[in-house]
Amino acid sequence: EAQVTQNPRYLITVTGKKLTVTCSQNMNHEYMSWYRQDPGLGLRQIYYSMNVEVTDKGDVPEGYKVSRKEKRNFPLILESPSPNQTSLYFCASSSFVGNTIYFGEGSWLTVV
Amino acid sequence: GIQVEQSPPDLILQEGANSTLRCNFSDSVNNLQWFHQNPWGQLINLFYIPSGTKQNGRLSATTVATERYSLLYISSSQTTDSGVYFCAVGNDMRFGAGTRLTVKP
Repeated sequence: EAQVTQNPRYLITVTGKKLTVTCSQNMNHEYMSWYRQDPGLGLRQIYYSMNVEVTDKGDVPEGYKVSRKEKRNFPLILESPSPNQTSLYFCASSSFVGNTIYFGEGSWLTVV
Repeated sequence: GIQVEQSPPDLILQEGANSTLRCNFSDSVNNLQWFHQNPWGQLINLFYIPSGTKQNGRLSATTVATERYSLLYISSSQTTDSGVYFCAVGNDMRFGAGTRLTVKP
């Protein structure tokens, strides 16, 4: 089954404790991206990747890092999480930029 | 960047009614997609429709790229249609604020 898989789905963590949200897709897609969704602000892009070793900032990259060492994986790293990073995070992929995009199920992150 | 506006922001329907959701965008795009976010938060891709008309069951969508808008039609609505409908445009998938649809039995 074609899918985008995120882990963890739910996490409560403390300020400053590094965490990684993993994202994996099994569709051999070149394009992957991360979004955060906040009430009243909709979905905003954090980072995207056009292919392996090619990443770029989206609209709200501050406080986040990403890497794309393999085509299927695109982890989101919060080096020192802060409460304003409490949000619902989505990973997404498409075969190439501008094509039909598929989302993971979302990761609910709370930073206290 | 491209501005995306969706209307109406909220819509309440009785089961069986039809509805039209609108997405306006401020610049030419070669990529427009509609999504449904269900009450559990999952985002489902409904249509990839940079131009023209597509239909999938009770849902259809039309994009008039030259006039910078897209419409999503829901016919014979069901309670399972409830949720938030988003359009997203451009290669960087810029999202509108969404239309929250509630279908009452």
